[in-house]
Amino acid sequence: EVQLEESGGGLVQPGGSLRLSCAASGFTFSIYWMHWVRQAPGKGLEWVSRVKNDESEITYADSVKGRFTISRDNAKNTLFLQMNSLRAEDMAVYYCARGVGGSRNLDAWGQGTTVTVSS
Amino acid sequence: QSALTQPASVSGSPGQSITISCTGTSSDIGGYNHVSWYQQHPGKAPKLMIFDVSDRPSGVPDRFSGSKSGSTASLTISGLQAEDEADYYCSSYTSRKTLLFGGGTKLTVL
Repeated sequence: EVQLEESGGGLVQPGGSLRLSCAASGFTFSIYWMHWVRQAPGKGLEWVSRVKNDESEITYADSVKGRFTISRDNAKNTLFLQMNSLRAEDMAVYYCARGVGGSRNLDAWGQGTTVTVSS
Repeated sequence: QSALTQPASVSGSPGQSITISCTGTSSDIGGYNHVSWYQQHPGKAPKLMIFDVSDRPSGVPDRFSGSKSGSTASLTISGLQAEDEADYYCSSYTSRKTLLFGGGTKLTVL
C-alpha cells in the first residue's frame, strides 16, 4: 500500500524557518517525481513545488521561489521542504504527493502537516 | 499565476448529473492534455478522480468522467450519490512547468 506521511509542521514566528519531511513507503520512491501542495485554512489547494526522481529538475511556485527549497533522499525514501523567511500567508496544511503521468497528476497524497506562522 | 476558474458551488439531487467547469488559458488547459480532478472531503487529503483530461484511476467509479474543449475542462458526475458531496478541484500542467489548481467547487447533494 502506498503511504506518505508528513511531519515537521508547527508554530513558527514570521521570518522563521521550518523543515518539513515526507516519509514514503509501499512503492519505489526513487523513480517518482514528488510534489508539495498546500492549503491555507478554509482555502483551496495551491501547488508549491516538485522535484524529479534524481533531483535533476526542480520547479517552484512564484509565491515561494527563493524562500523554499525542495529536496529528497532516495536512500531514506524521504522528501523534504526547507521553508525560510516564513510569512503569515505561508500558514497552511502542507501535503506531499506522488506525481505520475510525467509528473502532471498527483495520484497519492499524505494526510498533511500543519504550519502556523504567528508571533 | 491566477488560479483556474471554477464555480464556487454546484448542487444536485441523488441520481441526477452535474457538471463542474474549469477555465484556464492557452498556457495551461488549452495547451496541454494534462488536466486532473481531485475530490476532497472535509478534513481529508485530496483524492485523484480524473487524470489527463478523461482517464480514471482504478477504483474510481465510471460515474465520474472528464472532458476538455479549448481552454475549458469539465468534470461530470452522473447518478449523483450522497457520498459524492465534497469539494472538487481541477488542476492543469502549465507552460512554466508548474501545476495550477482551480479555486475549488463545493458540491452539495440535496
